[in-house]
Amino acid sequence: QKEVEQDPGPLSVPEGAIVSLNCTYSNSAFQYFMWYRQYSRKGPELLMYTYSSGNKEDGRFTAQVDKSSKYISLFIRDSQPSDSATYLCAMSANDYKLSFGAGTTVTVRA
Amino acid sequence: EAGVAQSPRYKIIEKRQSVAFWCNPISGHATLYWYQQILGQGPKLLIQFQNNGVVDDSQLPKDRFSAERLKGVDSTLKIQPAKLEDSAVYLCASSLGTVFDEQFFGPGTRLTVL
Repeated sequence: QKEVEQDPGPLSVPEGAIVSLNCTYSNSAFQYFMWYRQYSRKGPELLMYTYSSGNKEDGRFTAQVDKSSKYISLFIRDSQPSDSATYLCAMSANDYKLSFGAGTTVTVRA
Repeated sequence: EAGVAQSPRYKIIEKRQSVAFWCNPISGHATLYWYQQILGQGPKLLIQFQNNGVVDDSQLPKDRFSAERLKGVDSTLKIQPAKLEDSAVYLCASSLGTVFDEQFFGPGTRLTVL
């Protein structure tokens, strides 16, 4: 069993739709939860960061963490074609080591 | 602020050949990471440096991979000899090195082993 599971998709939505992404994990020591966005031929860039459980909102993006279920989500509201990318979840315990999901490829159709 | 620089961007080699990748982190970043990202997978940490020293190299295949960080700045990752399964994107990232801070990734080097 992988430490972090993420549905690779691909996911295709029309412009303006809500995009829902999620990951599950098995390591109960994880306390830091991140979402990275990776455009084609580029390195990942940090999109959202959450410590422990709860919700965090930043503009059109909302990250949710449910540690009791070992489940994290990312929602993108009013999706734009520029949101088309691969979204990677990543997690860490009390150190620098990140464990990544496989990534979900999202296409927002104009 | 300049980002993480990597070179080359692309490399094609035959199996059993050797190859080296170079990374220049963001100025002032104490921590440097090398990741391997195989197509369709998330990045996997190969090695982490804190200044000159190795913090974690538990997932580095040490029989063929080596890495060094000269003077706590630039870093080189080498593969010798390469295998077909080494085909991947090699990402370098850096961070300030404080307690949990953002890792900034370079564009990566795409390696194809034939």
